[in-house]
Amino acid sequence: EPEVTQTPSHQVTQMGQEVILRCVPISNHLYFYWYRQILGQKVEFLVSFYNNEISEKSEIFDDQFSVERPDGSNFTLKIRSTKLEDSAMYFCASIKGGLAAANEQFFGPGTRLTVL
Amino acid sequence: GENVEQHPSTLSVQEGDSAVIKCTYSDSASNYFPWYKQELGKGPQLIIDIRSNVGEKKDQRIAVTLNKTAKHFSLHITETQPEDSAVYFCAASWGGSARQLTFGSGTQLTVLP
Repeated sequence: EPEVTQTPSHQVTQMGQEVILRCVPISNHLYFYWYRQILGQKVEFLVSFYNNEISEKSEIFDDQFSVERPDGSNFTLKIRSTKLEDSAMYFCASIKGGLAAANEQFFGPGTRLTVL
Repeated sequence: GENVEQHPSTLSVQEGDSAVIKCTYSDSASNYFPWYKQELGKGPQLIIDIRSNVGEKKDQRIAVTLNKTAKHFSLHITETQPEDSAVYFCAASWGGSARQLTFGSGTQLTVLP
């Protein structure tokens, strides 16, 4: 069964450093998302991406964040200058889109980001 | 924006008993309500969803009910098994297929053997 994959599974970085989290969505999906989950808290929406541009973003997704789909398969989240409060699990998700409001979002296993 | 409240935060049941988790939402425009199961170290996995044009949906031991007037929806798991132990999240979204999900705070379900 097709699945969303994410790398790395765990990333440790120093405060102020740049990190790039990578995702490979399901191949025929058209809409892509990043969510984050701070330990013990709810999953929070960061950004959605369709047709090579951002569709929606939350107030969490400030100028330190950016997303890119550099080729036909990868979808990346970049944090330019990490802060301690960026420590969280980051989930990538994708949906097929199209007719019949196919909303089902498939989530990847997540990348645990630890900022020291 | 949308706000989703979920209760209880923890739930322990004996194997074979039923478990019920409840969520309320604030935005009457929301029309899609999925439930996700998250096991330790894994991403959320969709277990069942319901759209606003139906009041109930069943899939084997799992059912979801929706009350649009009261703006709440519930997950029912019957004949619980130890492998049902996980964190369950409800979520809501509105509009077309690209809309973001707003999640509840999660319920840690423990099924005691």
